[in-house]
Amino acid sequence: AQTVTQSQPEMSVQEAETVTLSCTYDTSESDYYLFWYKQPPSRQMILVIRQEAYKQQNATENRFSVNFQKAAKSFSLKISDSQLGDAAMYFCAYRSARGGSQGNLIFGKGTKLSVKP
Amino acid sequence: NAGVTQTPKFRILKIGQSMTLQCTQDMNHNYMYWYRQDPGMGLKLIYYSVGAGITDKGEVPNGYNVSRSTTEDFPLRLELAAPSQTSVYFCASKGSSYNEQFFGPGTRLTVL
Repeated sequence: AQTVTQSQPEMSVQEAETVTLSCTYDTSESDYYLFWYKQPPSRQMILVIRQEAYKQQNATENRFSVNFQKAAKSFSLKISDSQLGDAAMYFCAYRSARGGSQGNLIFGKGTKLSVKP
Repeated sequence: NAGVTQTPKFRILKIGQSMTLQCTQDMNHNYMYWYRQDPGMGLKLIYYSVGAGITDKGEVPNGYNVSRSTTEDFPLRLELAAPSQTSVYFCASKGSSYNEQFFGPGTRLTVL
C-alpha cells in the first residue's frame, strides 16, 4: 500500500521569504501523480500544484514550485515570496495512475504553515 | 457551475442517531469520493463510486453506507452515530480524463 509522510507538523516563514515543505512517499508503482493541497481555516481544499511522475521537469505555478526526486521518492513544495495569505495547512497527496485504480488520493498528515509579518 | 456542494455545513448528533450527508456535483463527473478528516490528520477515504450504481469501500468504511442512484448525487449515511465519527467530512468528484479532484466545502459533524 502507498503511504505519504510529511515530517514537519509545523513550519514558520517571514513574509516575503522562501519556505520549503517536505514530503516523502512510498510506492511500488512507476506511474502516479503527486499533489499539494492548501487548506485555509475555511476548510476548503485548494489544489496548489500537481506533478506527473513520468515528467522529469518540476512543476511550477507562479510562486509555488516543487522539487520532485523520483528515485528518492521525495516531493517538496517551495513557496517563494511568502504572503500572509499563504498561511494554511498544506497536504501532500498521492494518486495511482494504474489502469483500473479508483483514483482516490492518499494524504499525508499535513504541515501547518505560519507566515509572520 | 456550483461545483461540489455539501449539506449541512455543521451538525451535532447524539450517540445512536442517524443522518445523511448530502453531496451533489454538477460537472457530470463519474468518480465521487467521501473522505473524513480527523483533527491533525490528513483525509482518509471512506467510500467511493466510479459511476451511477457502482460503489465500493475505501480505507475506513465501518459505520457508513453510500448509494449512487444518479451521476450527480452521492449521499453518505451514518447509522447509529458514535463519538468516533466526530470529524470533518469531505465529498469530492473527478472526471474520467482529469487528474484533479474537486472538493466540496466539508461538513463538520460532532457526535455527543
